[in-house]
Amino acid sequence: DADVTQTPRNRITKTGKRIMLECSQTKGHDRMYWYRQDPGLGLRLIYYSFDVKDINKGEISDGYSVSRQAQAKFSLSLESAIPNQTALYFCATSGGQAYQPQHFGDGTRLSIL
Amino acid sequence: AQSVAQPEDQVNVAEGNPLTVKCTYSVSGNPYLFWYVQYPNRGLQFLLKYITGDNLVKGSYGFEAEFNKSQTSFHLKKPSALVSDSALYFCAVRDYDAGNMLTFGGGTRLMVKP
Repeated sequence: DADVTQTPRNRITKTGKRIMLECSQTKGHDRMYWYRQDPGLGLRLIYYSFDVKDINKGEISDGYSVSRQAQAKFSLSLESAIPNQTALYFCATSGGQAYQPQHFGDGTRLSIL
Repeated sequence: AQSVAQPEDQVNVAEGNPLTVKCTYSVSGNPYLFWYVQYPNRGLQFLLKYITGDNLVKGSYGFEAEFNKSQTSFHLKKPSALVSDSALYFCAVRDYDAGNMLTFGGGTRLMVKP
């Protein structure tokens, strides 16, 4: 079983719809992250959470919100989706030390028509 | 502010030949450097990291990377490429003195031809 699980893996929806992407982990990590991947731009950080009560905006948080329901669960919401939010979205986790690598889920491919 | 540059969108190499994927970085403090690989329809997988110490670090699948502080580079290398190495490679940097957030380069697609 995967350590970091994202659902759904693919989603097609229409402009203006509310969408929730979910992430759960079994690694026992406190830190969780949401990234967006666009071709040629690498990964850009949307939100991150260092524990259940600590949530922070990343580089591109406008148009997104998050909820940390438990240590193991971190969801990303698009309140009113727009076409330029079409992208590949990744959830990641890490331990509490700066030298520890992040561990990624397999991503959600989101298309907004 | 920290940044990472991967100057090549794509690198082509023949199977059995050595490969290099380039990465340069900019941080104000001490860098922690990482390489990740992404296969189709999968998330990023950690390959190796530089924290401190020996400038040549070894990682998974026979990959290694050389840290060069004067050139602010962290190039990924492998002595003999395999077709199965074909994937998207990302370099990332964390500025230890600036909040520990990870900044990624734009990625380099490696194509290994038989």
